[in-house]
Amino acid sequence: DVKVTQSSRYLVKRTGEKVFLECVQDMDHENMFWYRQDPGLGLRLIYFSYDVKMKEKGDIPEGYSVSREKKERFSLILESASTNQTSMYLCASSYKTRGVDGYTFGSGTRLTVV
Amino acid sequence: AQKITQTQPGMFVQEKEAVTLDCTYDTSDQSYGLFWYKQPSSGEMIFLIYQGSYDEQNATEGRYSLNFQKARKSANLVISASQLGDSAMYFCAMRSNNAGNMLTFGGGTRLMVKP
Repeated sequence: DVKVTQSSRYLVKRTGEKVFLECVQDMDHENMFWYRQDPGLGLRLIYFSYDVKMKEKGDIPEGYSVSREKKERFSLILESASTNQTSMYLCASSYKTRGVDGYTFGSGTRLTVV
Repeated sequence: AQKITQTQPGMFVQEKEAVTLDCTYDTSDQSYGLFWYKQPSSGEMIFLIYQGSYDEQNATEGRYSLNFQKARKSANLVISASQLGDSAMYFCAMRSNNAGNMLTFGGGTRLMVKP
């Protein structure tokens, strides 16, 4: 089974702190994604990466950056956390091929910024 | 740009009955894929069913079927014989084959199954 592991299930950080959310997948997937989930808004794409050191902005990249130095790891960085970044963050990975071949999601990190 | 609309924020269904969760989408692309995911209270996203835009038959997976009406741009999920374990959030999502491999999600529907 493909596994996508997010380093923390729950995080509490202070306003202004630099926050790192880590995601690791073990199936050699080319694509990796960071989503943010908020009630009533579904999942919104923050950033995605289709290869090492490659990144593309999603729908809501403001206030976030990402790093992909190795194929299996995709990090989401909040340079200066703010209370409006309190949310559930989901990482996903997938093969580059089309079709039903899956997107596999991590269990999520619930981040609270106080 | 792609957009997914789920108009039912919450729904109740009696155990053992069938339920339909609505999903409409907006895209100008001809080639795309539609997905449904289930998210229980534990938080993980569970893939349920997939429909390709060129698939002629509606997709089915066990108790799940997808009522795909291309001209109406709708992709409703039908769950037959509801079970208590079906209580969860359900998300419709679309991948446009012309826009990379990213998924665009709807706002979700919370399904509650009554015993």
